[in-house]
Amino acid sequence: SQKIEQNSEALNIQEGKTATLTCNYTNYSPAYLQWYRQDPGRGPVFLLLIRENEKEKRKERLKVTFDTTLKQSLFHITASQPADSATYLCALEYNNNDMRFGAGTRLTVKP
Amino acid sequence: KAGVTQTPRYLIKTRGQQVTLSCSPISGHRSVSWYQQTPGQGLQFLFEYFSETQRNKGNFPGRFSGRQFSNSRSEMNVSTLELGDSALYLCASSLDSWGTVGGYTFGSGTRLTVV
Repeated sequence: SQKIEQNSEALNIQEGKTATLTCNYTNYSPAYLQWYRQDPGRGPVFLLLIRENEKEKRKERLKVTFDTTLKQSLFHITASQPADSATYLCALEYNNNDMRFGAGTRLTVKP
Repeated sequence: KAGVTQTPRYLIKTRGQQVTLSCSPISGHRSVSWYQQTPGQGLQFLFEYFSETQRNKGNFPGRFSGRQFSNSRSEMNVSTLELGDSALYLCASSLDSWGTVGGYTFGSGTRLTVV
C-alpha cells in the first residue's frame, strides 16, 4: 500500500544554516506534493505545492524539489531563523480519493 | 480576509454520546475537508464535501458523518463516541479538491476529549 515518510522526527540546526527536510513516498506516483507548517495547537499552514513536471519551486527562503524517479521531495529553508521552528508536514493526494500526510519533522532553530 | 472558523475550540464528551463540530470556510471556497489528528496516527483524511455533495471519504467507520450547506459551511458528526475518538479535528477549505489551487487553509481545530 502507499506510504509517505518523513525521515526525521526532529531536526536541530543553528540559526543562519540551511534546514533540509525529506519526504519519501512509495507505491504511488502523485501528480503533486504539498508542504505545510504546523505550530503547536494550530492547524497546518500551506507553504508550497510542487507538481510532477516541476523539478524545483521557490518562495522567499523556501525551496522545494520533487524527484519522481527517487520518489522524494526535499524541503529547504535557507538562512534559518528561530521563528522557523515548527513541525513541517508533506502531503500528497492518493488515487484522487485520499490525502495523505507524513508524520512531520519537528524543526528547532537555535539562536 | 477571514480564515477558516471552527467551533467549538474545545469539547469534552462522555463515551456513547454524540458530537457535532462546525466549520465555516473561507468565502468562495467550495471544498471543505475534515481531518483527524492524533499523536499516534498523525493527520488522517475523514471526508471532503464540494458544493453540498460528499466527494471523497477516508477510511473511518460510519459513526463519522458530515454535511455541507448551501453557504459552504460544514458540520461533522460523530455518534456513539469512543475513547479513541479523542483527537484534534481539523477542517480545511480550498478552491478545489485536495488544495491543488493554493493549498488547503486549515482552521485551528476542535480539540475533542472523550472520557
